[in-house]
Amino acid sequence: GAGVSQTPSNKVTEKGKYVELRCDPISGHTALYWYRQSLGQGPEFLIYFQGTGAADDSGLPNDRFFAVRPEGSVSTLKIQRTERGDSAVYLCASSLMAGVADTQYFGPGTRLTVL
Amino acid sequence: AQTVTQSQPEMSVQEAETVTLSCTYDTSENNYYLFWYKQPPSRQMILVIRQEAYKQQNATENRFSVNFQKAAKSFSLKISDSQLGDTAMYFCASREYNNNDMRFGAGTRLTVKP
Repeated sequence: GAGVSQTPSNKVTEKGKYVELRCDPISGHTALYWYRQSLGQGPEFLIYFQGTGAADDSGLPNDRFFAVRPEGSVSTLKIQRTERGDSAVYLCASSLMAGVADTQYFGPGTRLTVL
Repeated sequence: AQTVTQSQPEMSVQEAETVTLSCTYDTSENNYYLFWYKQPPSRQMILVIRQEAYKQQNATENRFSVNFQKAAKSFSLKISDSQLGDTAMYFCASREYNNNDMRFGAGTRLTVKP
């Protein structure tokens, strides 16, 4: 089947605006992860879902960031009052289960640019 | 806390030759996994190889193999018979058992030259 898809591929917004980034995981994958990759860096963990619930949101940088996965499939990462420092590539990954040995399959990411 | 360090920002290798990418890590746990991911310009991270910390035998996947030195907390990636398609960013990562946070290094940009 299809891999992990993310939309939009690129998003340009102005400082202070609200943005939503979407992730479609591989069908049947119960675990879903969001990462943020700043320029010249490796991805940083943001949040993890097991099914519909956010099992671990310890990586979210502040309360402007929020993510949902209402039906246990598609997830949306929401950023309020965007700041220039939020500019990065936001990666989504899914895995069949949530174990450490389960391979995470990544999407191509959404490049967010905050002007 | 986990940390992962990749000290080589850029590497290059001639096609068909062998190259080794370095990675060191730190963790207070005994049970963890280590990974190498490849990120081509398409941005999609692809798992190259992984190693379970409790296994002493080094993992291999076709042209890719690792040198896992647990005591030294070192996890290098060897690419044999390098191909042009191997050109990409390579990230080393660690993940402790019962921890959802997979920690990545800063990456090494590998260029394979014809």
